[in-house]
Amino acid sequence: EVQLVESGGGLVQPGGSLRLSCAVSGFTFSSYWMNWVRQAPGKGLEWVATIKQDGGEKYYVDSLKGRFTISRDNAKNSLYLQMNSLRAEDTAVYYCTRHWSYAFDIWGQGTMVTVSS
Amino acid sequence: DIQMTQSPSSLSASVGDRVTITCRASQSISSYLYWYQQKPGKAPKLLIYAASSLQSGVPSRFSGSGSGTDFTLTIGSLQPDDFATYYCQHSFNTATFGPGTKVEIK
Repeated sequence: EVQLVESGGGLVQPGGSLRLSCAVSGFTFSSYWMNWVRQAPGKGLEWVATIKQDGGEKYYVDSLKGRFTISRDNAKNSLYLQMNSLRAEDTAVYYCTRHWSYAFDIWGQGTMVTVSS
Repeated sequence: DIQMTQSPSSLSASVGDRVTITCRASQSISSYLYWYQQKPGKAPKLLIYAASSLQSGVPSRFSGSGSGTDFTLTIGSLQPDDFATYYCQHSFNTATFGPGTKVEIK
């Protein structure tokens, strides 16, 4: 069964850091580009970042460049999102997704990140 | 940057109705257009890829059309399970989602 399982979310103070993980199973992780997408409470979907199979290409939404870093470990079948200098507006559910023919075809259940003092 | 708009932002419809949602890109995106369905508290689900191709397992009452800047998602006969929010998305190396269209029960 194909599964994406996010973890690492929680409550963090403004200015703090958090590292999200996504554990992948059921498909050959190293063959796919992967993405992070977030959704603030009651709001729409926002693409965050995308990474190539070997990690050699990374793309970010302009508004987050420099604060967030996407990475992957193909040996561990895992995707990561390092989030620094967190702000209240980063509060959201963060989804890990598989990139297939430019579509986001498989989604995890999401992990909630709350930035608050 | 490419911007995506959707109309309407919400609609009320009855079971059996034909529903059409429109998505517009700020510049031509060829057929790099995708449609997702999201229910409350759940992750989105891919419905349509490459503007008009039905994702495996998605009911045939869903269809997509368009290319360039104007696209539509049509639900041929609305079913109770279809009440949800629908998002269009442009994706290539970067991605942009539309603001969503909420389909509610009339």
